[in-house]
Amino acid sequence: DAGVIQSPRHEVTEMGQEVTLRCKPISGHDYLFWYRQTMMRGLELLIYFNNNVPIDDSGMPEDRFSAKMPNASFSTLKIQPSEPRDSAVYFCASSLTGLAGGNLYNEQFFGPGTRLTVL
Amino acid sequence: GIQVEQSPPDLILQEGANSTLRCNFSDSVNNLQWFHQNPWGQLINLFYIPSGTKQNGRLSATTVATERYSLLYISSSQTTDSGVYFCAVEREFGNEKLTFGTGTRLTIIP
Repeated sequence: DAGVIQSPRHEVTEMGQEVTLRCKPISGHDYLFWYRQTMMRGLELLIYFNNNVPIDDSGMPEDRFSAKMPNASFSTLKIQPSEPRDSAVYFCASSLTGLAGGNLYNEQFFGPGTRLTVL
Repeated sequence: GIQVEQSPPDLILQEGANSTLRCNFSDSVNNLQWFHQNPWGQLINLFYIPSGTKQNGRLSATTVATERYSLLYISSSQTTDSGVYFCAVEREFGNEKLTFGTGTRLTIIP
């Protein structure tokens, strides 16, 4: 099975430009997450969706960031305009909530990440 | 929010050695996962272990939910085990946000 797919893997852009990151979750998964990893702040959740609906965007740093999930197999994270402090690795993850042995189960699987550099 | 602390922050070992990594968390959790971030930056799932003990080859993990900690054991370390190990927790069902610890950086020397 293909895992979570992200594109591009690397993006270098200039300050002020629009950046769009893309994610294809694992087929059948009902949750999708966007994370950002930096040296200073570690791994932090930006936003997550359940059945294509945004549930919690409290981690989105500011209005320059927006995320959409138009269907179950595709999501985008957009930064407009980009700034040097947005430079980071952006991860997409997906999960399927279910029952296993009578217990609730919700294991997240991560994509390879997009390394964004804003000059 | 929930606090997740990992120890030690750094660990350097000779190939073949065993190690124990610890994760403490400040509240009851519904989900706990261990990840390995390899030198290429990929986050690889090791264990989904909100409670109990699991083993996978040279790796095993134990979570004692009532005492709010989890341990990751690596036996007979290999250089490919190098990288950063993260513990991540989800505080309660219905709030599927994973909070990550700061990680343990493991370096295995040949």
